[in-house]
Amino acid sequence: AQSVTQPDIHITVSEGASLELRCNYSYGATPYLFWYVQSPGQGLQLLLKYFSGDTLVQGIKGFEAEFKRSQSSFNLRKPSVHWSDAAEYFCAVGAQAAGNKLTFGGGTRVLVKP
Amino acid sequence: DARVTQTPRHKVTEMGQEVTMRCQPILGHNTVFWYRQTMMQGLELLAYFRNRAPLDDSGMPKDRFSAEMPDATLATLKIQPSEPRDSAVYFCASGIRVGTQYFGPGTRLLVL
Repeated sequence: AQSVTQPDIHITVSEGASLELRCNYSYGATPYLFWYVQSPGQGLQLLLKYFSGDTLVQGIKGFEAEFKRSQSSFNLRKPSVHWSDAAEYFCAVGAQAAGNKLTFGGGTRVLVKP
Repeated sequence: DARVTQTPRHKVTEMGQEVTMRCQPILGHNTVFWYRQTMMQGLELLAYFRNRAPLDDSGMPKDRFSAEMPDATLATLKIQPSEPRDSAVYFCASGIRVGTQYFGPGTRLLVL
């Protein structure tokens, strides 16, 4: 069965500093990997996705993520955080065999200090 | 800009009442998902449909919850009777290709 672990429940970062959110997955085959962001009171919005090819994926809002098969990881990064990046971030894994179904991690809440 | 829409956005009801939540998926999307989000449990998949047929509703309490897709433009999630523990935000999402899901804004349900 697929599983996703986001080890950090909360992260606090200063505005302008870099951000890295960790995601580890468990899946037997090559997974499809996603990062979603949820702003307070909103639904989830897709930031970026990895299906195949280049392991460094660019997304919206200046985010990128790197797929590392050897570490079963898909960490999300942003070089310089803006106050509007305060939100909850979810990593998710899917697979062709699972159809469109996704397995989500528990989320990481990001707080941005002025 | 196509979006998933959900109604109502907020619902307050009393224990024992029926609650119906509606979702309009993005036109052309053939897969619809229902999720529940709470502080304690996080994001849980309740049910999903492909081409209007239910594929998996194992996450849904069968005795009180039901999900249907009367047509390709409407998905419904019903709770009857509702209980305080059903208080949560319910999200609908739709998609067409593997994995990529587009979420609606959610229905915030409070059962008193």
